[in-house]
Amino acid sequence: NAGVTQTPKFQVLKTGQSMTLQCAQDMNHEYMSWYRQDPGMGLRLIHYSVGAGITDQGEVPNGYNVSRSTTEDFPLRLLSAAPSQTSVYFCASSYDRLAGYNEQFFGPGTRLTVL
Amino acid sequence: GESVGLHLPTLSVQEGDNSIINCAYSNSASDYFIWYKQESGKGPQFIIDIRSNMDKRQGQRVTVLLNKTVKHLSLQIAATQPGDSAVYFCAENDPNEKLTFGTGTRLTIIP
Repeated sequence: NAGVTQTPKFQVLKTGQSMTLQCAQDMNHEYMSWYRQDPGMGLRLIHYSVGAGITDQGEVPNGYNVSRSTTEDFPLRLLSAAPSQTSVYFCASSYDRLAGYNEQFFGPGTRLTVL
Repeated sequence: GESVGLHLPTLSVQEGDNSIINCAYSNSASDYFIWYKQESGKGPQFIIDIRSNMDKRQGQRVTVLLNKTVKHLSLQIAATQPGDSAVYFCAENDPNEKLTFGTGTRLTIIP
């Protein structure tokens, strides 16, 4: 079991560029989510998905798109990167939406810098 | 305690001593609380949780205390080890299932 994997680990973008942060899990988890972590602030939920084909917005969804075509993958897209999106991004998964937080697993993160 | 600025509060503890990390939460209606550990370059890892109908819960080498009167949570780590060096943060879950994360405290273990 690789658990939750994220690629790339580091990325530098210029303002206006687009990119996709990849997230995959091999635990057959239905629930997946994306968070961002900024200095001086706690983790904030961007988007989440309760299963393939179903996504919903979290606390800070603006500037990000997601899709869930398979159970395993949950990519996060930045269509036009802005400096305010400089952050560390974490993907997480759990068996389902009602699974306890002790059963939620986080990926290692992607550190994104937008110049 | 939790940080509202750019720099995390830090706590340095001698190896083998006990550590106490504090967290002040904001919502008196929050009914579930979690402590996470985040090592450098890694994602957060669940440590222990507690529901609002309890004031203490123990795990392996860790104890969480909840004081609802003053909206305060603490994490006690017994006999700290080098592997305990990390950022620790709390999270509170409100009745609408919204999870709000704190900013964390950096724990450094002195050999």
